[in-house]
Amino acid sequence: RKEVEQDPGPFNVPEGATVAFNCTYSNSASQSFFWYRQDCRKEPKLLMSVYSSGNEDGRFTAQLNRASQYISLLIRDSKLSDSATYLCVVNPGGTYKYIFGTGTRLKVLA
Amino acid sequence: DAGVIQSPRHEVTEMGQEVTLRCKPISGHDYLFWYRQTMMRGLELLIYFNNNVPIDDSGMPEDRFSAKMPNASFSTLKIQPSEPRDSAVYFCASSLNAREGGGYTFGSGTRLTVV
Repeated sequence: RKEVEQDPGPFNVPEGATVAFNCTYSNSASQSFFWYRQDCRKEPKLLMSVYSSGNEDGRFTAQLNRASQYISLLIRDSKLSDSATYLCVVNPGGTYKYIFGTGTRLKVLA
Repeated sequence: DAGVIQSPRHEVTEMGQEVTLRCKPISGHDYLFWYRQTMMRGLELLIYFNNNVPIDDSGMPEDRFSAKMPNASFSTLKIQPSEPRDSAVYFCASSLNAREGGGYTFGSGTRLTVV
């Protein structure tokens, strides 16, 4: 089993739609969680951290479910500019090595 | 703040040649990471440094790969000899106090093609 798993997609959604991605992780001791965004042929950029209580940043909501070992990202009112690959990132704990998922590709259609 | 600076942006080389990738982290960041990204395997951590000291190089694929960080503002990743399977995008990232989950700042990457 991979340490971090994501559905590769693509998720094709119309503008204005709400879309959600999940990411599962295998190490129950994992301590830190993030979502990164990567545009085509660009570097990954931090989108948001994921806190135990859940957190929101504008149209984006991240949640953590430790019991089921997954994190989620919800995007409301999708924009064309949201089209990108979303990478789930987990720190298994005890080291400073962050494990990246292979990403979920989102296409927002006009 | 100029961000993490990598050079070259693109590199095409012949199999067997030596390749050197360069990275300048953000000033003040004490962690530096080298990642490799391919379609099949995604982002893989190769090695990371803390205060210029290599901490974990378990991700380095084989002895053909080596990395150095002679000072706080410069790091290199060298492949010698290069092979076609080394073709990938190599990213350098830096972070301030990674343990606190500060996240990474990535450079723009070096797209390496070995023919």
